[in-house]
Amino acid sequence: DAGVTQSPTHLIKTRGQQVTLRCSPKSGHDTVSWYQQALGQGPQFIFQYYEEEERQRGNFPDRFSGHQFPNYSSELNVNALLLGDSALYLCASSLGDREVFGYTFGSGTRLTVV
Amino acid sequence: AQKVTQAQTEISVVEKEDVTLDCVYETRDTTYYLFWYKQPPSGELVFLIRRNSFDEQNEISGRYSWNFQKSTSSFNFTITASQVVDSAVYFCALSEAYDYKLSFGAGTTVTVRA
Repeated sequence: DAGVTQSPTHLIKTRGQQVTLRCSPKSGHDTVSWYQQALGQGPQFIFQYYEEEERQRGNFPDRFSGHQFPNYSSELNVNALLLGDSALYLCASSLGDREVFGYTFGSGTRLTVV
Repeated sequence: AQKVTQAQTEISVVEKEDVTLDCVYETRDTTYYLFWYKQPPSGELVFLIRRNSFDEQNEISGRYSWNFQKSTSSFNFTITASQVVDSAVYFCALSEAYDYKLSFGAGTTVTVRA
């Protein structure tokens, strides 16, 4: 049973560029959440997608946007990259509209902005 | 607003010692969920336990045990007879009943020396 798959594993971008990160949820899961984890800190919630809609958003600027596809996979897009966007981006999937069923996290995409 | 505090930044123990990780939370909701996750160097967050606010019964799973005390808003985690494989960053997280996000503490890095 495949878990959450994220791609790419590592990425280096230049300040001002745009980046797209991808996530395939665990089989049977229909909800995808994205988190940003800066070095030495806990993950911070970016947003959650359910039924192809953004259901909830954290305190992140509009430069951060996302999409969920009919097969439940998801993309995270970040425009006009800043040095401070360097972090591990984690995708988490779950079943249904309540996280109480448990989140499964991927191994993340390590983004470095230079 | 919900908040999770993990006051211990780093803990270093010798193998077979017990280690207790502290977690203190803040929430206005009466219904909420508490979690512990383990993050090994590979990056993915590994789910350890979920506890709802109405269940204060302590839980033991192998060498892991959890102590939930609503009176002190704490949800502490103990590893008994630690092993080198327990070395990781451990996160405590909180989710309120009508919120879709997990709010994480800053994490505690546990190093178990052989």
